[in-house]
Amino acid sequence: RKEVEQDPGPFNVPEGATVAFNCTYSNSASQSFFWYRQDCRKEPKLLMSVYSSGNEDGRFTAQLNRASQYISLLIRDSKLSDSATYLCVVNRIPGTGNQFYFGTGTSLTVIP
Amino acid sequence: GAVVSQHPSRVICKSGTSVKIECRSLDFQATTMFWYRQFPKQSLMLMATSNEGSKATYEQGVEKDKFLINHASLTLSTLTVTSAHPEDSSFYICSAGQGARDQPQHFGDGTRLSIL
Repeated sequence: RKEVEQDPGPFNVPEGATVAFNCTYSNSASQSFFWYRQDCRKEPKLLMSVYSSGNEDGRFTAQLNRASQYISLLIRDSKLSDSATYLCVVNRIPGTGNQFYFGTGTSLTVIP
Repeated sequence: GAVVSQHPSRVICKSGTSVKIECRSLDFQATTMFWYRQFPKQSLMLMATSNEGSKATYEQGVEKDKFLINHASLTLSTLTVTSAHPEDSSFYICSAGQGARDQPQHFGDGTRLSIL
């Protein structure tokens, strides 16, 4: 089983729509969680960390459910510029040090 | 915020050439850096973990003699693709974090390698 699993999409939504992505992780020892955004042919950029109590940054809300081992990202009032691939990233510390695990990404296209 | 610089951003060279890619942490020290490879329309694949002052840890299926990693200082890791062939053409990205487990990774701009 993969460490991190995401629905690859694609999600095609109209401008102004609300869209949600989920991500599940397999190892209960995972400690830190992040959402990254990757534009085509570019490097991933940190969108937001995910905290246990849930956190919001403008139109973006991230939530963590440790019991069910999933993370979610909610985007409200979608903009054309939100079109990208969204990567779920999970960190844990195995015996050899920090290890980050990436989901395959969820593709979002916001349509005018 | 933390910045990771990667160089060069684009390389085009002939088959058989060895190519060195540098990854630098500009405003923090990184005892660990990660090297990834991404083929078109695929996800990032971790190749190896670069450890300052010791040998890199390679993921299964990644040839350590093909992809040489050197992490000689706390701010620089290098990946050398030795005797590159067309199948090595890919997008190579490094990342580094500030060490604490709740700190995210920051990525370099990536290196697009094309072997003719």
